[in-house]
Amino acid sequence: AQKITQTQPGMFVQEKEAVTLDCTYDTSDPSYGLFWYKQPSSGEMIFLIYQGSYDQQNATEGRYSLNFQKARKSANLVISASQLGDSAMYFCAMSAMDSNYQLIWGAGTKLIIKP
Amino acid sequence: DAGVTQSPTHLIKTRGQQVTLRCSPISGHKSVSWYQQVLGQGPQFIFQYYEKEERGRGNFPDRFSARQFPNYSSELNVNALLLGDSALYLCASSRDQMFHQPQHFGDGTRLSIL
Repeated sequence: AQKITQTQPGMFVQEKEAVTLDCTYDTSDPSYGLFWYKQPSSGEMIFLIYQGSYDQQNATEGRYSLNFQKARKSANLVISASQLGDSAMYFCAMSAMDSNYQLIWGAGTKLIIKP
Repeated sequence: DAGVTQSPTHLIKTRGQQVTLRCSPISGHKSVSWYQQVLGQGPQFIFQYYEKEERGRGNFPDRFSARQFPNYSSELNVNALLLGDSALYLCASSRDQMFHQPQHFGDGTRLSIL
């Protein structure tokens, strides 16, 4: 069975510091995608970044990068130079053929940026 | 281009009633998925439709049903509402049904059952 684990229920980070949000996954499917989403308190789910299981390089999107370690089955999100607007829930999710491409979600990490 | 649109944004119902939630995907997207998110938890998969056919169903009772129309919009129906159905219902669309396609979400419908 596929599973996503986020072990950090909450994090406090000083503004302008970098932050790493942890995500480990479990799947026996060789083809899968890993996604990070941001959910502010207003509720909308915002797609941040994607990493494919066959991608050789770590994905980057602006201030977001994904530290993908396939052998360790981890896909940590790194946010550089954090801003107050980064305060939100962050979810790691996975899609694979085994699960009919439905997104399997972690429990999320609540990130609070301190001024 | 318009994003995923969901209606209504908020809904209040009483136990035993029925509700219909609507979703319009991003133009060109053929796959629509529905998720239920209870406060403080990650989303739970309910249904996925691709090319108007059901392609996946989560662990939800038969009170939950859905369909996708020829224009790729979708409806989620919930019958015999229970207090536990109170949640944020999220609709997501993607271009097709592949693991590398990100799903883009609407703002959700917040359903409250009294």
